[in-house]
Amino acid sequence: GENVEQHPSTLSVQEGDSAVIKCTYSDSASNYFPWYKQELGKRPQLIIDIRSNVGEKKDQRIAVTLNKTAKHFSLHITETQPEDSAVYFCAATRPAAGNKLTFGGGTRVLVKP
Amino acid sequence: EAQVTQNPRYLITVTGKKLTVTCSQNMNHEYMSWYRQDPGLGLRQIYYSMNVEVTDKGDVPEGYKVSRKEKRNFPLILESPSPNQTSLYFCASSLDPGLAGVEQYFGPGTRLTVT
Repeated sequence: GENVEQHPSTLSVQEGDSAVIKCTYSDSASNYFPWYKQELGKRPQLIIDIRSNVGEKKDQRIAVTLNKTAKHFSLHITETQPEDSAVYFCAATRPAAGNKLTFGGGTRVLVKP
Repeated sequence: EAQVTQNPRYLITVTGKKLTVTCSQNMNHEYMSWYRQDPGLGLRQIYYSMNVEVTDKGDVPEGYKVSRKEKRNFPLILESPSPNQTSLYFCASSLDPGLAGVEQYFGPGTRLTVT
């Protein structure tokens, strides 16, 4: 089955700096890669996603890149703000598995003012 | 308001006492799923359902049961809870996952403690 690894597990950045979270996946058939943000005590919520036919996608201060050959994808947050402090999860899915999401272990991001 | 609801939100119980966590969605979603969240392990899928009366095991199904008698409801049943099932549980729903990548909407979570 699919295996998704996420690094780092914790990330502390100064407000205004950039944050990068990296994930690798094992199943080359995976074709959809969402990122979820979970604030303290809240439910995970989708913040950005990318499909396998696209190499990069950007939405304001967040961007995701995908390297299908190397089977890794990354989340980039620029100009970090205190409200970016949360746990971020990457995930991968493939149609043959009913689009079952396999999540990475999560990255706890702390933005220091 | 489109939402996924779960009840109860918090539950402390004892080993072996059967319990049910309810999940309901009002978005007419075909796909529903249960996850457990444990530190460092991310979200692991317990069971999922592609539609009414269609359920299948996820990655960690042992000790759990589900049913999908109606499209909107997907209860999680622990017949004989054990302390290793102490966790944060999330229900999620989405449109037909056969579509090319769809957002999963999560419920608010149920924090379960089994003593």
